Amino acid sequence: GAGVSQTPSNKVTEKGKYVELRCDPISGHTALYWYRQSLGQGPEFLIYFQGTGAADDSGLPNDRFFAVRPEGSVSTLKIQRTERGDSAVYLCASSLTRDRNEQFFGPGTRLTVL
Amino acid sequence: GENVEQHPSTLSVQEGDSAVIKCTYSDSASNYFPWYKQELGKRPQLIIDIRSNVGEKKDQRIAVTLNKTAKHFSLHITETQPEDSAVYFCAACFYGGSQGNLIFGKGTKLSVKP
Repeated sequence: GAGVSQTPSNKVTEKGKYVELRCDPISGHTALYWYRQSLGQGPEFLIYFQGTGAADDSGLPNDRFFAVRPEGSVSTLKIQRTERGDSAVYLCASSLTRDRNEQFFGPGTRLTVL
Repeated sequence: GENVEQHPSTLSVQEGDSAVIKCTYSDSASNYFPWYKQELGKRPQLIIDIRSNVGEKKDQRIAVTLNKTAKHFSLHITETQPEDSAVYFCAACFYGGSQGNLIFGKGTKLSVKP
C-alpha cells in the first residue's frame, strides 16, 4: 500500500507568515509523529498523536507551533509567525499502534523562511 | 530525558569491507532501538531494529547488537557495497504510557569506495 505522504514537498515563506504542513499516514496506523530535521542533524521529536489526541507534545519548541489530527488520520502541523530559525525539513512518521514500534517516515516538507 | 551519542560522524570504507557504527544512550528505561538509513534528499528508511529483550539481531548483511548493561548498541554492515553509502542514524526510545518518540543520534555518513 501507499506509504506516508506529506504536502507540500517544499514551502518557501516570509518571516512572520503562517504555514500549514500536512501529513497522510499509512492507512490504519493509529500513532503519528512529527519530527524536525535540520541540516546535518538527526530528526528531532516535536509531537506524538495516538488517535486524535496529542499524547506527547513536549518537543514543540514554543507556542507558535501547534498540530491537530481531528479524525485520527491526517495531521496538520501549524506554525504561526514563522522565524528564519524554523527553516528545516519537517518529517512525519506513523506506526501501526502504540505497541508496534516501527515508525515509517514520509518524504518530509522542506520549509524555508526568508 | 534520553540522550543518544553516535560515533563516528563519518566513515569511509572500501567496497567489501565491514563497517561498524556505535551508539550510546543514557536512559536505562529505553527499550527499543531502531537504525535508519537516509540517502541525500530522501526520507529515513528503517533498516533494522532491536528490542531490549534481545542481544543481537541479524538480517542478511546487517546486524545490530545491544548491551543493556553498558547502554550501547552497534550497527554492523558486512561486505559493504557502494549503494550502502548514506547517512545512518541510530535512535532509542521507551515505549510505554504516553511515550513513543524516537531520540536520534547525530548520524554517521558512510562512504563505500568502489
